Amino acid sequence: EIVMTQSPATLSMSPGERATLSCRASQSISSNLAWYRQKVGQAPRLLIYGASTRATGIPARFSGSGSGTEFTLTISSLQSEDFAVYYCQHYNNWPITFGQGTRLEIK
Amino acid sequence: QLQLQQSGPGLVKPSETLSLTCTVSGGSISSSTYSWAWIRQPPGKGLEWIGTFYYSGSAFYNPSLKSRVTISVDASKNQFSLKLTSVTASDTAVYYCARQKTGADNWFDPWGQGTLVTVSS
Repeated sequence: EIVMTQSPATLSMSPGERATLSCRASQSISSNLAWYRQKVGQAPRLLIYGASTRATGIPARFSGSGSGTEFTLTISSLQSEDFAVYYCQHYNNWPITFGQGTRLEIK
Repeated sequence: QLQLQQSGPGLVKPSETLSLTCTVSGGSISSSTYSWAWIRQPPGKGLEWIGTFYYSGSAFYNPSLKSRVTISVDASKNQFSLKLTSVTASDTAVYYCARQKTGADNWFDPWGQGTLVTVSS
């Protein structure tokens, strides 16, 4: 099983700032990585797949990068709706696993 | 626009079977482009993939749950279902259904609204 490790666990930032979230895989997963945002009380929403491709309807302030074992999600200018929990997910093989999440909170 | 609507009981007794259904609207469940999955989230914790019913008819399950899980599809009703047997308190979670892309990118989107299932006598 591939273990996904996200850092930091919590990130405190202000609206308008640039946020950088990290995700590390325990072995190479090529670019087989997705990112999700989960607002309080809601289901997760797909943001990025293929490590760097924005999903339909996702604003350009979200960008993803990386391959192999190291990945990054960048939010260029934080909006109020971006304060939520973010998860990475690999789909390189079975079983699919998620990271434990990064909570992005208002400073 | 594809939507997933979940149904099923929110309370299950220990040792019994958890059963949930996900109804697909706005698209067909019989597509080779997509498969159908269940994911759960214990209160205050992260996401755990339970399993996927692949468009080919095969099912893939999380090894940690494999002996207790069955995912099935009823194409005539455009529905898919989850059964988890011999539940314990550790199975208490919000359960989500989701569409899963097949092929090169196996992402989950969209997701159902979630069902909180509590295991308690």
